[in-house]
Amino acid sequence: SQQGEEDPQALSIQEGENATMNCSYKTSINNLQWYRQNSGRGLVHLILIRSNEREKHSGRLRVTLDTSKKSSSLLITASRAADTASYFCATEHRSNDYKLSFGAGTTVTVRA
Amino acid sequence: NAGVMQNPRHLVRRRGQEARLRCSPMKGHSHVYWYRQLPEEGLKFMVYLQKENIIDESGMPKERFSAEFPKEGPSILRIQQVVRGDSAAYFCASSPVQGTSETQYFGPGTRLLVL
Repeated sequence: SQQGEEDPQALSIQEGENATMNCSYKTSINNLQWYRQNSGRGLVHLILIRSNEREKHSGRLRVTLDTSKKSSSLLITASRAADTASYFCATEHRSNDYKLSFGAGTTVTVRA
Repeated sequence: NAGVMQNPRHLVRRRGQEARLRCSPMKGHSHVYWYRQLPEEGLKFMVYLQKENIIDESGMPKERFSAEFPKEGPSILRIQQVVRGDSAAYFCASSPVQGTSETQYFGPGTRLLVL
């Protein structure tokens, strides 16, 4: 399977703390994307990192990509209750450049 | 410019009925992708269509499922004789260009519940 796998499956943190989640994948990619999904809602695109990039920032989000280890991490700094959601990584693989392969997600709960 | 529209947002069907899910891509987008999200799972690719053409249906179940994207009107995902296992959220995405996921924009999804 080309699907990404997120780790951990669930994460519970206190407001103000940082949240880190990881994604691993199996085959060569063109890019890796992170999405957020609030319970029962649609997907919100957070950030895209290309295979030739190692780190990217967007507001309180920091994404790293290590293509040698086939892994990525998403860091949310200074978390807020509104960050409570499921976070998915999705990979675009070189062999299928329009298909996104999603992992099962990390469920993040931020306690007030 | 309105985003990707999907309707209905929620659909309830009894086993054996048909479900029709609609997706209107963003203006100027001629490429549509359907994904299915089973409970507690990530999205799985189903089918990629361009106007009047199915480009890749490798993720579609072989039976009961079909998709179309006519010259005029929305893309339709049709599920015949629904079963409980079809209960899921169905998302479509659209893009203006071929061959990359970088410009795919997702709709809000249709949540199908089969009783």
